[in-house]
Amino acid sequence: RKEVEQDPGPFNVPEGATVAFNCTYSNSASQSFFWYRQDCRKEPKLLMSVYSSGNEDGRFTAQLNRASQYISLLIRDSKLSDSATYLCVVKPTGGGNKLTFGTGTQLKVEL
Amino acid sequence: NAGVTQTPKFQVLKTGQSMTLQCAQDMNHEYMSWYRQDPGMGLRLIHYSVGAGITDQGEVPNGYNVSRSTTEDFPLRLLSAAPSQTSVYFCASSQRANSNEQFFGPGTRLTVL
Repeated sequence: RKEVEQDPGPFNVPEGATVAFNCTYSNSASQSFFWYRQDCRKEPKLLMSVYSSGNEDGRFTAQLNRASQYISLLIRDSKLSDSATYLCVVKPTGGGNKLTFGTGTQLKVEL
Repeated sequence: NAGVTQTPKFQVLKTGQSMTLQCAQDMNHEYMSWYRQDPGMGLRLIHYSVGAGITDQGEVPNGYNVSRSTTEDFPLRLLSAAPSQTSVYFCASSQRANSNEQFFGPGTRLTVL
């Protein structure tokens, strides 16, 4: 079983739609959680950290369920510019900065 | 600030050749790391460094060497290239080993024939 699992997609949605991505992780001792965004043939960039109480950044909302070992990302009012691959990333306890990446979920926002 | 820079952007090698992928950062970050990204695999950690003079192995270190003689530079050496090392290589840095955000370079696309 992969340490971090994501649905690879692609998710094809119309502009203005709401879309949600899910991610599960296997290491219950994981400490920190993130969503990174990766545009085609580019480097990953931090989109947002994920906090236990849930957090929001504009149109983006991240949720963490430690009991179910589950992370989610909700994007409201999708824009064409949101088209990218979204990487679920987990940092284990005591792991320094050794990140474990999911394979990513591809989002395509269409007119 | 240039951030994290990597050279070359593209490279084609023959099996058995050696080469060095360069990585530099100008943010005075303590922590630097190398990942490889393959289809269906996600990014995997090759080697990392928590400061100048200190390096350690990640998840997939075989076939690669690193050194960290300065804070700024963290080159990755392929000792004897194999087709299995065909991949996209990303260098990343963060201020400290426990910092939340890592900054990635633009990547090096390597093909080994």
